[in-house]
Amino acid sequence: NAGVTQTPKFQVLKTGQSMTLQCAQDMNHNSMYWYRQDPGMGLRLIYYSASEGTTDKGEVPNGYNVSRLNKREFSLRLESAAPSQTSVYFCASSVEAGTSGTPEKFGPGTRLTVT
Amino acid sequence: GEDVEQSLFLSVREGDSSVINCTYTDSSSTYLYWYKQEPGAGLQLLTYIFSNMDMKQDQRLTVLLNKKDKHLSLRIADTQTGDSAIYFCAGLGRALTFGSGTRLQVQP
Repeated sequence: NAGVTQTPKFQVLKTGQSMTLQCAQDMNHNSMYWYRQDPGMGLRLIYYSASEGTTDKGEVPNGYNVSRLNKREFSLRLESAAPSQTSVYFCASSVEAGTSGTPEKFGPGTRLTVT
Repeated sequence: GEDVEQSLFLSVREGDSSVINCTYTDSSSTYLYWYKQEPGAGLQLLTYIFSNMDMKQDQRLTVLLNKKDKHLSLRIADTQTGDSAIYFCAGLGRALTFGSGTRLQVQP
């Protein structure tokens, strides 16, 4: 039972390049999330998927797209990377978004640098 | 939306108690959480409290919730050097809204 896995662990991009961050969970959770963490700040929600087939914007969605490929996988795409997107990206999952004490479980993070 | 605030830094001596404070704005948060983050690592859930509770104790951890003042605290008894980390409080709406984190430094 691996929990939440993310790939890659580290990535360096040039401004304007694109890339996709991958996330998978093996806990049969319905809801999945993408957050970013900037230095000295808490995590901010980029997008989430309450259930397979649905996605919704979070607090900071601009410059990102997401795909809920199936129940297990939720990817985050940067179409044209900008230095402001340099951050650590965390994927998380939970049984059901916004309900009960089923807390979100987090992946180990992807450290992205855009030069 | 939810706004969550924490003090930035706390330093204690090993064996003392640590108290990390958090204030939040959205009284509709159903659950409030405490997460721990060690350097270079993801977030580890420590404990959580349902919004209709005042207190929850879990081994060395005690969570106090003052709904009137919208104030949440985490007390760590007998703080150890391994407790040195950043601690985040978070409120649950549609997803989690995090505070900016409190860095706890435990001195031997």
